[in-house]
Amino acid sequence: ELKVEQNPLFLSMQEGKNYTIYCNYSTTSDRLYWYRQDPGKSLESLFVLLSNGAVKQEGRLMASLDTKARLSTLHITAAVHDLSATYFCAVDTGTASKLTFGTGTRLQVTL
Amino acid sequence: EPEVTQTPSHQVTQMGQEVILRCVPISNHLYFYWYRQILGQKVEFLVSFYNNEISEKSEIFDDQFSVERPDGSNFTLKIRSTKLEDSAMYFCASGFVGGSQETQYFGPGTRLLVL
Repeated sequence: ELKVEQNPLFLSMQEGKNYTIYCNYSTTSDRLYWYRQDPGKSLESLFVLLSNGAVKQEGRLMASLDTKARLSTLHITAAVHDLSATYFCAVDTGTASKLTFGTGTRLQVTL
Repeated sequence: EPEVTQTPSHQVTQMGQEVILRCVPISNHLYFYWYRQILGQKVEFLVSFYNNEISEKSEIFDDQFSVERPDGSNFTLKIRSTKLEDSAMYFCASGFVGGSQETQYFGPGTRLLVL
């Protein structure tokens, strides 16, 4: 059974600081996704990582994938309050197959 | 920008009643999914649907659950006899294959409360 773990589960950080969220998964996969969820809202697609070594950046967020280590990171640079949300990574094991989600990291950026 | 829509946004029902959750996927997508999220927990896969049939389902998706694509646009999830533990946010998602942005797009969700 595919397991996806994220850490930390909760992250409180000050504006302007940098931090990294980690996502480990237990089986071979070249496909990893990052989503953002605001309280009571849906899941917004942030990044799609489809190969080993993939790196994508959008604003203050950068995601990378190391399929050999079965690890993805979501790096936050100079955090701002608007980034406060829960971030989920998700893995699938084949084209159009189900997503298995991590536990989520609740990020709180304080002034 | 095309988006997945879901109705209703909220549904309150009595235990044992049937509920139907509705979704309109993005029009050129071919793969459809239902997930659920119990409050404060992670998102769990229920079922995937392609070419008018179920392609995969989880252990959660037992005989009380069914899915249907009754016409070219709607995709429904039916729970025949709801239980208290069915209370959750239910998300529909749709996806396509191909391209660098291949992913699943999620609808806004239906919050189901079973009393």
